[in-house]
Amino acid sequence: ETAVFQTPNYHVTQVGNEVSFNCKQTLGHDTMYWYKQDSKKLLKIMFSYNNKQLIVNETVPRRFSPQSSDKAHLNLRIKSVEPEDSAVYLCASSRRSAETLYFGSGTRLTVL
Amino acid sequence: GEQVEQLPSILRVQEGSSASINCSYEDSASNYFPWYKQEPGENPKLIIDIRSNMERKQIQELIVLLDKKAKRFSLHITDTQPGDSAMYFCAASAGTYQRFGTGTKLQVVP
Repeated sequence: ETAVFQTPNYHVTQVGNEVSFNCKQTLGHDTMYWYKQDSKKLLKIMFSYNNKQLIVNETVPRRFSPQSSDKAHLNLRIKSVEPEDSAVYLCASSRRSAETLYFGSGTRLTVL
Repeated sequence: GEQVEQLPSILRVQEGSSASINCSYEDSASNYFPWYKQEPGENPKLIIDIRSNMERKQIQELIVLLDKKAKRFSLHITDTQPGDSAMYFCAASAGTYQRFGTGTKLQVVP
């Protein structure tokens, strides 16, 4: 099966902890993304990664950092989580930059 | 950053009637306009898209219209069914990543 796979599905943690989320795509796409979907369902781009070029949304706090070993993997690390980081983090991929997005099932983060 | 506005935020329609969602964008370099449907507990999935070289596209009951001059595009669902109830998102792309609208919760009632 070819798709976008995210782990974990859920994560509950305390303020100040570090968390990492994994994303892998088996679609052979060149570009991967992280989007944040908040409680109001707003979808905001965080990062776009294409051919080792990272494009960062300037509004993303520095405690967030993407990590990619190859074009099929794009992980997300949050160094010291804060309550406003509670959200669903959606990984996506596309054949080329900004083409049709294929989303993973998301990681729901709850920060206590 | 460049915004994508989407209205209405909630839309309630009678089964069998039409539903229309409108979006506007700011970046005149935008050239790709997809629409995604997100059902509860699921991820967003593409349902239809349109590129800047077209003004109208139809796939079965879905119609998208694009007015580049006004920087507006819209989704029309004809003959709505209960299965059409979901969140709908428009998006606009100028080639780097897609910016999403604020979403429309569509409720199709019997």
